Amino acid sequence: QKEVEQNSGPLSVPEGAIASLNCTYSDRGSQSFFWYRQYSGKSPELIMSIYSNGDKEDGRFTAQLNKASQYVSLLIRDSQPSDSATYLCAVNMNNFNKFYFGSGTKLNVKP
Amino acid sequence: DAGVIQSPRHEVTEMGQEVTLRCKPISGHNSLFWYRQTMMRGLELLIYFNNNVPIDDSGMPEDRFSAKMPNASFSTLKIQPSEPRDSAVYFCASTVDRGLRGYTFGSGTRLTVV
Repeated sequence: QKEVEQNSGPLSVPEGAIASLNCTYSDRGSQSFFWYRQYSGKSPELIMSIYSNGDKEDGRFTAQLNKASQYVSLLIRDSQPSDSATYLCAVNMNNFNKFYFGSGTKLNVKP
Repeated sequence: DAGVIQSPRHEVTEMGQEVTLRCKPISGHNSLFWYRQTMMRGLELLIYFNNNVPIDDSGMPEDRFSAKMPNASFSTLKIQPSEPRDSAVYFCASTVDRGLRGYTFGSGTRLTVV
């Protein structure tokens, strides 16, 4: 089992819809969770962080964390074509500064 | 802030040659990471430094790979000799506060070994 698992996609949604991206992790002691966006040919860019159970909202983005289920998700409301990218989930496995990345989910938002 | 600066942006080299990738972290960040990204394996952590000291190099694939951080503002990743399977995008990232705010990545170096 990989430390962090994501569905590789692609996930296709129409413009204006809600995109839901999911991630599971193996270490129950994990404390910090991040979502990165990576456009083709570019470097990963941090878009959301979450540390406690529940929801965290930032503009059109909502991160959700359920530590009991070892599950973290990212919701993108009112999806735009500019949101088309690969979204990477990163989890701190209780090691000093060390994060594991999922393989990423490719999102396509169709106009 | 100029962000994490990597050089070169692109490198094409012949098999067997030595390759050196360079990274300047964000000023004040005390942790630095080298990652490799391929389509098949995704983002793999190669090595990370804290306060210029290597903490975990378990991701370094072979003895052909080595990394140094002689001071807080500079790090190198060296491959000697290079092989075609080393072709990938190599990212450097830095952070502070035990990574609670996540990493900031550099633009990456696209390495092609022919």
